[in-house]
Amino acid sequence: GAGVSQSPSNKVTEKGKDVELRCDPISGHTALYWYRQSLGQGLEFLIYFQGNSAPDKSGLPSDRFSAERTGGSVSTLTIQRTQQEDSAVYLCASSLDQGFTYEQYFGPGTRLTVT
Amino acid sequence: AQRVTQPEKLLSVFKGAPVELKCNYSYSGSPELFWYVQYSRQRLQLLLRHISRESIKGFTADLNKGETSFHLKKPFAQEEDSAMYYCALRYQGAQKLVFGQGTRLTINP
Repeated sequence: GAGVSQSPSNKVTEKGKDVELRCDPISGHTALYWYRQSLGQGLEFLIYFQGNSAPDKSGLPSDRFSAERTGGSVSTLTIQRTQQEDSAVYLCASSLDQGFTYEQYFGPGTRLTVT
Repeated sequence: AQRVTQPEKLLSVFKGAPVELKCNYSYSGSPELFWYVQYSRQRLQLLLRHISRESIKGFTADLNKGETSFHLKKPFAQEEDSAMYYCALRYQGAQKLVFGQGTRLTINP
C-alpha cells in the first residue's frame, strides 16, 4: 500500500516568512511523529501525536514551531518567522500503535531552505 | 537524559571486508534499540531491532547492557551496503526515538 507521503518535497523561503509542511500517514496508523534532520545533528524528535491524546511537544525547539493533526490523519507542521537555522530536512513518520514491536515508517521528507 | 552516540561520522571499507558501525547509548533503564538505514535517494527505513535478534541483509547487532552498546556488524561488506546508518533508542514509557548522528558507510570496490 501507499507509504507516508509529505509535501512539498522542497521548499525555499525567505527569512521571516511562515511555512507549512504537510504529512499524510499510512492509513490506519494512529501514531504520527515529526523529526528534523540537520547536517551534523542527526535526527531530532520534534512532536508526537497518538490518537486523541495530547501531543508530546517536548522536542519543538521554539514557540515558532507548531503542529496539528486533523481528524487523526493528516498533520501540518508550521514554522513561523523562519530563521536560517531552520534549514533542514523535516521527516514525518507513522506507526500502527503503541505495541511493543511497533515500527515507525518514514516519509521522504521535506527539504526546507531558508535564505 | 537519554543519548545515542555514533562516534564515526564516516566509515570506509573495502568490499568483502568486515564492517562494524559503533553505537553507544546512555540510559539507565531497559532500552529498545534499533538500526535504521537510508540508501541514496531513498527514505529512512528500519534495518533491525534488538528484540528480534535477527540478521537482516547479513547484518547483526547485539545489545551489550554492560557496555551500553549496540554495534552493527557484517562479516563481508557488499557495495550495496553503502548508505547512511542511524542507531536509535526508545526508552521505557516513550514512543519517540532518540537517534544518533549517523554514520555514512562507503564500501569501496
